[in-house]
Amino acid sequence: NAGVMQNPRHLVRRRGQEARLRCSPMKGHSHVYWYRQLPEEGLKFMVYLQKENIIDESGMPKERFSAEFPKEGPSILRIQQVVRGDSAAYFCASSRRSTKGRTDTQYFGPGTRLTVL
Amino acid sequence: AQKITQTQPGMFVQEKEAVTLDCTYDTSDPSYGLFWYKQPSSGEMIFLIYQGSYDQQNATEGRYSLNFQKARKSANLVISASQLGDSAMYFCAINNNDMRFGAGTRLTVKP
Repeated sequence: NAGVMQNPRHLVRRRGQEARLRCSPMKGHSHVYWYRQLPEEGLKFMVYLQKENIIDESGMPKERFSAEFPKEGPSILRIQQVVRGDSAAYFCASSRRSTKGRTDTQYFGPGTRLTVL
Repeated sequence: AQKITQTQPGMFVQEKEAVTLDCTYDTSDPSYGLFWYKQPSSGEMIFLIYQGSYDQQNATEGRYSLNFQKARKSANLVISASQLGDSAMYFCAINNNDMRFGAGTRLTVKP
């Protein structure tokens, strides 16, 4: 099964620590998207990446958050010096083609649930 | 900017009956895609159905169909013959330059 994979599924961090969330897109997909979901809310777009490029980071907080999608390996969403407000589910999605201005479907991973103590 | 609205925070339906989940959107772009996703209690996001803004016919996928009314900017999801396993959160999303999700509707199917 070559679905979108995310790990870890659950991550607990103390305030001030770093959180690293990983996403491997579906086979044949080179476009990756990260979303954040707060409890009882919809998903909020954070960042869109292609291999080695950030295409759109308009939804990313200006500080402490960064994302990358290296030539080899998974996409990484990195949160430095986590605070309690970062507690949320973080979803990664991938698509075969760019969905900017197009209508290609994004397929989602199972999400990483981050809890900041 | 594009905006998407789901006005029903919660819906109940009797098993085996049909249910309609509302979704309205606002965009000035002529080309866009509309999506519905299901999120069960386990948390994953499951793609259900897609409608392109230029599609002439309403999309259907098994028991799911999309009632697309372009002039009214609505894209309601119809689930026929509801099953207990349909109980979940349902999110409508619009995609043009980025994907925007509605707040979701929690559907509960009663036996």
